[in-house]
Amino acid sequence: QKEVEQNSGPLSVPEGAIASLNCTYSDRGSQSFFWYRQYSGKSPELIMFIYSNGDKEDGRFTAQLNKASQYVSLLIRDSQPSDSATYLCAVNIISISGGYNKLIFGAGTRLAVHP
Amino acid sequence: GAGVSQTPSNKVTEKGKYVELRCDPISGHTALYWYRQSLGQGPEFLIYFQGTGAADDSGLPNDRFFAVRPEGSVSTLKIQRTERGDSAVYLCASSPNGGTGYGYTFGSGTRLTVV
Repeated sequence: QKEVEQNSGPLSVPEGAIASLNCTYSDRGSQSFFWYRQYSGKSPELIMFIYSNGDKEDGRFTAQLNKASQYVSLLIRDSQPSDSATYLCAVNIISISGGYNKLIFGAGTRLAVHP
Repeated sequence: GAGVSQTPSNKVTEKGKYVELRCDPISGHTALYWYRQSLGQGPEFLIYFQGTGAADDSGLPNDRFFAVRPEGSVSTLKIQRTERGDSAVYLCASSPNGGTGYGYTFGSGTRLTVV
């Protein structure tokens, strides 16, 4: 079982709609969760992070976390063609020896927003 | 520097050759990470440095891969006897310390092509 799983997509939504991106993770000890956006040919760019159960809103983006279900999601309201990109979910994994964390990424979901 | 700098941006090498990829992290960031991203996949963890030492090299695929960070700043990823399967984008990221706190800042990557 992969540590972080995402639907590869593509997820196609019309301009102005809500895009919903989902992610599940396997390590119950994970404490922090991140969403990165990656445009084609570019490096990942951090857009949201969330630590606590519930919702966290930042502009048009809302991250949702449910630790009991080991589930993270990202909602993008009023989707724009410029939101078309791959969205990567990343989860912190605590090292066996402790003392530091590293991020493990899912394969990403490709989002296409059409006019 | 202002951001994470990686050089070269592109590298084409022949199978069997040796390559070095360089990463210059954000000034003052003690934690440095190398990831590899193949087409259609998320970044795959390779190695993590805290200061000069490799705190976790569990992601290095085999002994052809080696990385150093002799002065706790610039890091070099070294690949010996390159194989076509090594072709990927190699991403470097840094953070202020070993925690994932607010996520990582990625460099623009080095696209390695082994022919």
